[in-house]
Amino acid sequence: AQSVAQPEDQVNVAEGNPLTVKCTYSVSGNPYLFWYVQYPNRGLQFLLKYITGDNLVKGSYGFEAEFNKSQTSFHLKKPSALVSDSALYFCAVRDHRRGGSYIPTFGRGTSLIVHP
Amino acid sequence: NAGVTQTPKFRVLKTGQSMTLLCAQDMNHEYMYWYRQDPGMGLRLIHYSVGEGTTAKGEVPDGYNVSRLKKQNFLLGLESAAPSQTSVYFCASCGQTNNQPQHFGDGTRLSIL
Repeated sequence: AQSVAQPEDQVNVAEGNPLTVKCTYSVSGNPYLFWYVQYPNRGLQFLLKYITGDNLVKGSYGFEAEFNKSQTSFHLKKPSALVSDSALYFCAVRDHRRGGSYIPTFGRGTSLIVHP
Repeated sequence: NAGVTQTPKFRVLKTGQSMTLLCAQDMNHEYMYWYRQDPGMGLRLIHYSVGEGTTAKGEVPDGYNVSRLKKQNFLLGLESAAPSQTSVYFCASCGQTNNQPQHFGDGTRLSIL
């Protein structure tokens, strides 16, 4: 079984400040981890993923995420937030094992609000 | 390069009516999915398909049927619409390996009166 928790429904940050959106996961094997962003009236868009190797993953729009195996976390970060980063963010996990789940498990989403 | 295209974008139905939502992808992906998104509920998987001619139930399949007659298309049917099916429906596709992200359409906003 696999699961994802995004403990914050909403994160508020001032423009120019660093932001963190939290994600923890549970999976039987090694995880493949993903972050997606959803803007209003749009579908989810892929931001970045962790497969293996370097624990710090860089993605689109200046976002990065840090994989921490001991804490089973994959927090999304950005050094300097923009108002245009305001959106809904989803973390997802898939099982690494061959033949593992066809179905990614998504967190419930975190609404990021960046104030001018 | 269209990616994942959903039609229609908006629809209003009366209770008891039926309709079909169409999802088309041009990336030659094996896997396709239908989700519904409701406020505070995140994404919930309705049905999915791991290849042409195959379908499987997800988390909330009741009241919906699906078909995957062609690899590029995944149809979601509402047999007898109910107000509880008012939602935003998203289609997604991805390749066979588990390290590939899903590609999403922009959704169909469906209201059942």
